[in-house]
Amino acid sequence: DAKTTQPPSMDCAEGRAANLPCNHSTISGNEYVYWYRQIHSQGPQYIIHGLKNNETNEMASLIITEDRKSSTLILPHATLRDTAVYYCIVRVGTGTASKLTFGTGTRLQVTL
Amino acid sequence: DAGVTQSPTHLIKTRGQQVTLRCSPISGHKSVSWYQQVLGQGPQFIFQYYEKEERGRGNFPDRFSARQFPNYSSELNVNALLLGDSALYLCASSRGTSGVQWEQFFGPGTRLTVL
Repeated sequence: DAKTTQPPSMDCAEGRAANLPCNHSTISGNEYVYWYRQIHSQGPQYIIHGLKNNETNEMASLIITEDRKSSTLILPHATLRDTAVYYCIVRVGTGTASKLTFGTGTRLQVTL
Repeated sequence: DAGVTQSPTHLIKTRGQQVTLRCSPISGHKSVSWYQQVLGQGPQFIFQYYEKEERGRGNFPDRFSARQFPNYSSELNVNALLLGDSALYLCASSRGTSGVQWEQFFGPGTRLTVL
């Protein structure tokens, strides 16, 4: 299984961009990078995913390096409500055996 | 539309007891997955069900079992509870199991405490 490495914690000032890095150097060519976040004691929330191109949605942007060995999740204007644990996940398997393999994530603290 | 719902929200059991947790997927979703999240760790995959059949199993003992009903709701059963089973149990649903149908939506979880 492809493994991800994330810093355990990060701080960001409200209104600034939060850039969360993820290393996935053993990713296979057909594996997607997914980002979820989990606000305290709630279920994980899907943010964004990508294969090799950069992606953007209403919540965030995902930048994947050309060699696909790392990626960065960007929250363009962080708010206090973005304080959460952010998980970078490489989707394991395809089809009916697919699952999410979570690591320990990055705890993002957004401050005033 | 309602999201994924789980019941109960909290549960306290003693060692050796059995517990059943319930999950109702988002309307139109046919796949349900179960995850266990121990305090301080990320969720760990337990089972995936699609169209009432088990399609994936994580590294959990046989004390853990699950099933999916014709209406796509699901139950997770844990027998002979151990203190280490104390965790947040998460249910996730998706339309299907591949491609764009795979995106998983999580419920709020059931917090199980084993004393």
